[in-house]
Amino acid sequence: EAGVTQFPSHSVIEKGQTVTLRCDPISGHDNLYWYRRVMGKEIKFLLHFVKESKQDESGMPNNRFLAERTGGTYSTLKVQPAELEDSGVYFCASSQVGLYRRQYFGPGTRLTVT
Amino acid sequence: EDKVVQSPLSLVVHEGDTVTLNCSYEVTNFRSLLWYKQEKKAPTFLFMLTSSGIEKKSGRLSSILDKKELSSILNITATQTGDSAIYLCAVDRRGTGTASKLTFGTGTRLQVTL
Repeated sequence: EAGVTQFPSHSVIEKGQTVTLRCDPISGHDNLYWYRRVMGKEIKFLLHFVKESKQDESGMPNNRFLAERTGGTYSTLKVQPAELEDSGVYFCASSQVGLYRRQYFGPGTRLTVT
Repeated sequence: EDKVVQSPLSLVVHEGDTVTLNCSYEVTNFRSLLWYKQEKKAPTFLFMLTSSGIEKKSGRLSSILDKKELSSILNITATQTGDSAIYLCAVDRRGTGTASKLTFGTGTRLQVTL
């Protein structure tokens, strides 16, 4: 079974530029989550999709972040314009719908804003 | 605000030692507690605990939840160099329907030396 994949693995951009991160969940997983780990801090929840619908986006830092999941398959997370404090590792996770379903994590995208 | 605290932050042991990692939490609407192991990239699932006092075991790893004390421990016996990793504790809380939202601790970095 293929796991959660994320692209790119690493992105270095300048402040003010735009970056789009992509996540491909495990096939058949309707739940898709985005998390972020800023250096030295814990992994924090950003948002949750069920299929193509945003279920909870309470963790999104501000309106420079836009997540989409058109068609309910892969998801993108766009940061526009990027700021220095956006640097960190962005993780995607997916799970099946239902109670007590474990979340499977992708390898993360390391974003460096200079 | 929901909080998960792990201790120790880091630990160095010799191969063959037994280690105990701690996780305490303050979370509203607790659903379950999860342990993940993160080596290089993606956090990989170890255990999900929902009921107090019931030990989950997988090989040399075991974990138990104490809902009264709002805590959990992860034990690793006869440690091996391959156990070197960051161990993450996360708590899932009940949301709308089956919606899931993980709150993570900062992790315990374990290094096993020869």
